[in-house]
Amino acid sequence: GQNIDQPTEMTATEGAIVQINCTYQTSGFNGLFWYQQHAGEAPTFLSYNVLDGLEEKGRFSSFLSRSKGYSYLLLKELQMKDSASYLCAVMDSNYQLIWGAGTKLIIKP
Amino acid sequence: NAGVTQTPKFRVLKTGQSMTLLCAQDMNHEYMYWYRQDPGMGLRLIHYSVGEGTTAKGEVPDGYNVSRLKKQNFLLGLESAAPSQTSVYFCASSSSGLATGELFFGEGSRLTVL
Repeated sequence: GQNIDQPTEMTATEGAIVQINCTYQTSGFNGLFWYQQHAGEAPTFLSYNVLDGLEEKGRFSSFLSRSKGYSYLLLKELQMKDSASYLCAVMDSNYQLIWGAGTKLIIKP
Repeated sequence: NAGVTQTPKFRVLKTGQSMTLLCAQDMNHEYMYWYRQDPGMGLRLIHYSVGEGTTAKGEVPDGYNVSRLKKQNFLLGLESAAPSQTSVYFCASSSSGLATGELFFGEGSRLTVL
């Protein structure tokens, strides 16, 4: 079967750095997405990785290792507004998105 | 710009009732999707469309029907609602499918079936 694993919940302090991990087992691989979803709102796109390595976009970075079936989202200089759920999704060989259940990130002052 | 708009935002149904969720996008996107989101689970694809007049089944299509009569609209119908269909429904669109494009989501429609 296909599976995406993420921690259910994480807590971090304002101004700090947090890494949210995602491991996957899918039928083929055509890219990995990270989305942010604030409570009661729509998911919004953060990043897309298809090649190994680190993609940096402002305070957010996303890393991919295809050989390990592993990705992480790194958030720097955490702000209160970063409190949200972070969804990892993998595109399989049929170009279907397989979604993880999401990681709820709680930021404390 | 409105982006992706879903109506209604909230709805309560009794078991056996029918209803239609409307999704409208103003970005001229070819691809549209209906997902459901349940606590502790990832988004699950119900149906999708790769263009006007076309629809296809996703991961969890049973109990739902869809239509894409106009490029900008994608309707999701529940013919006979069941409590298991209580969920938050998200519509999404993309310009080029998922190979290279990100998904743009609507705000969600919260449906409760009693």
